[in-house]
Amino acid sequence: DAGVTQSPTHLIKTRGQQVTLRCSPKSGHDTVSWYQQALGQGPQFIFQYYEEEERQRGNFPDRFSGHQFPNYSSELNVNALLLGDSALYLCASSYGNGDTEAFFGQGTRLTVV
Amino acid sequence: DQQVKQNSPSLSVQEGRISILNCDYTNSMFDYFLWYKKYPAEGPTFLISISSIKDKNEDGRFTVFLNKSAKHLSLHIVPSQPGDSAVYFCAASALSSNTGKLIFGQGTTLQVKP
Repeated sequence: DAGVTQSPTHLIKTRGQQVTLRCSPKSGHDTVSWYQQALGQGPQFIFQYYEEEERQRGNFPDRFSGHQFPNYSSELNVNALLLGDSALYLCASSYGNGDTEAFFGQGTRLTVV
Repeated sequence: DQQVKQNSPSLSVQEGRISILNCDYTNSMFDYFLWYKKYPAEGPTFLISISSIKDKNEDGRFTVFLNKSAKHLSLHIVPSQPGDSAVYFCAASALSSNTGKLIFGQGTTLQVKP
């Protein structure tokens, strides 16, 4: 049983560019949440998708957008990249309402230069 | 506004002894709490959770205690093993408010010395 898988694992982008990160949830899970983890900090909630709709959003600008597909996989898009967007981006999946015992992927390390 | 705080950035204990990791929260709407462990280059791994209707939950070597009046929870690891060396995150959620997002603390790095 595959867990949560994220791609790519590492990415280097130039300031101003756009990036798309991908996530496949654990089998049986229908909810996907995205988190940003800056160095030395805990993960910060970006948004959550359920039934292909954004259900909740954290304090992130509109440059951060996402999508969930019918097979429950999800994408995180970030436009107009800033140096401060450099972080580990984590995807978490769970079933139904809430992130009880959410399962995390290994993350995508994004570096903006 | 840091709603979940782990005030100790690091903790070092001897193998076989008890490790106690602490976490404080400010939002009284939080009703579900979780601990995650994270190794370098891996995503956080769920360890143990507790609902606000309980004050203790135990799973093998791991026990979480919740003091709602103090808005404080702690994770006890007994006995500690070198493989427990990792970053530990406390997280909180307000399930009763139909919000499933997790609010994380900054993490505590635990080192267990052989």
